[in-house]
Amino acid sequence: DAGVIQSPRHEVTEMGQEVTLRCKPISGHDYLFWYRQTMMRGLELLIYFNNNVPIDDSGMPEDRFSAKMPNASFSTLKIQPSEPRDSAVYFCASAGGEQYFGPGTRLTVT
Amino acid sequence: KNQVEQSPQSLIILEGKNCTLQCNYTVSPFSNLRWYKQDTGRGPVSLTIMTFSENTKSNGRYTATLDADTKQSSLHITASQLSDSASYICVVTSNAGNNRKLIWGLGTSLAVNP
Repeated sequence: DAGVIQSPRHEVTEMGQEVTLRCKPISGHDYLFWYRQTMMRGLELLIYFNNNVPIDDSGMPEDRFSAKMPNASFSTLKIQPSEPRDSAVYFCASAGGEQYFGPGTRLTVT
Repeated sequence: KNQVEQSPQSLIILEGKNCTLQCNYTVSPFSNLRWYKQDTGRGPVSLTIMTFSENTKSNGRYTATLDADTKQSSLHITASQLSDSASYICVVTSNAGNNRKLIWGLGTSLAVNP
């Protein structure tokens, strides 16, 4: 298995633009997590899904953030409109037991 | 409040030396504690996981300890290598009924110099 796949690896956008981050989990895993990582706050859980259903989205910072999981092999995290304070590395992880992380997407909002 | 605190924040050691990283937590109810290694530009990778009844667990040159009474854990790295340079993150899982939460520490940044 190729592991958790995220795209893009790097994204630079201007304030106010829409950003979509993508994740393909490991086949057979029934949990999918979206995290945000910054130097100041470390890793923060934004939302997680079980069998494609959002279970806990209490970490989503505000309404500008939304996440979907239309099927077992794909999820998106969308930020609209983006702001400079959204600049961070966004990780997707999947789990069948242990969590396995993707390589992350480094987002820079100017 | 559920918290995980790690020390030191950063550490520099010479190749071949040993080091110990600390993790103190105030998480209740406790389910398990994991140590992750995160290389620069990569996602975290699990090193060890320990439940309440486990005191020590090893993974190669990495040995984790857990004292559930004092709510402390340590990660000991033996005979360090340049490839050990990374951030090491302590994560405690709390299970309260159907509410499972992972509380992440901010990590210790380790640099191993030749």
